[in-house]
Amino acid sequence: NAGVTQTPKFRVLKTGQSMTLLCAQDMNHEYMYWYRQDPGMGLRLIHYSVGEGTTAKGEVPDGYNVSRLKKQNFLLGLESAAPSQTSVYFCASRHLTRTSSYNEQFFGPGTRLTVL
Amino acid sequence: QQPVQSPQAVILREGEDAVINCSSSKALYSVHWYRQKHGEAPVFLMILLKGGEQKGHEKISASFNEKKQQSSLYLTASQLSYSGTYFCGTAFTGTASKLTFGTGTRLQVTL
Repeated sequence: NAGVTQTPKFRVLKTGQSMTLLCAQDMNHEYMYWYRQDPGMGLRLIHYSVGEGTTAKGEVPDGYNVSRLKKQNFLLGLESAAPSQTSVYFCASRHLTRTSSYNEQFFGPGTRLTVL
Repeated sequence: QQPVQSPQAVILREGEDAVINCSSSKALYSVHWYRQKHGEAPVFLMILLKGGEQKGHEKISASFNEKKQQSSLYLTASQLSYSGTYFCGTAFTGTASKLTFGTGTRLQVTL
């Protein structure tokens, strides 16, 4: 099992450009999450999904859109990149069970994005 | 509603103990602990649920005080491999599907 994978690993954008980050998991997890991590800020939730076809906003959703068309994939889009979106982006997934709060999140390796 | 972690940073010699605290201003349903090494993804350590259940690694212990809305992570007989940044993630009743993470505690273990 590959676990959680993210594509690409690194990317440099110019202000105003768009891009899509791909997260894929092969663990058949229902929940998927996108976080951004900035120095001194910890992990902040951007958007998340509790199942195929569903998405919800997290703490810092502005400037981002997401889609979950397939259970194993969760896409994060930046329509018009800004320097404030320079960050490391982590995707995570979690299994849903009756006591799902008991289940840990599995993180991908991250995508380092720089917006000039 | 971001939990507050303390201390922000700590340096230990190998074999020493450390305690990392996580406090919330809101009633907690569960607390998750993760460790992140530089340049890597966070890795799961521990989950503590309201009511006393917990799940995690054998060599790491933690407590959850529901009344005080606090959790503490206990690292005993620290090893060099314990170095990294520790994050607590908190879940609240009604929003248990998502976590709010603290800003982290940087731990460095030296010889």
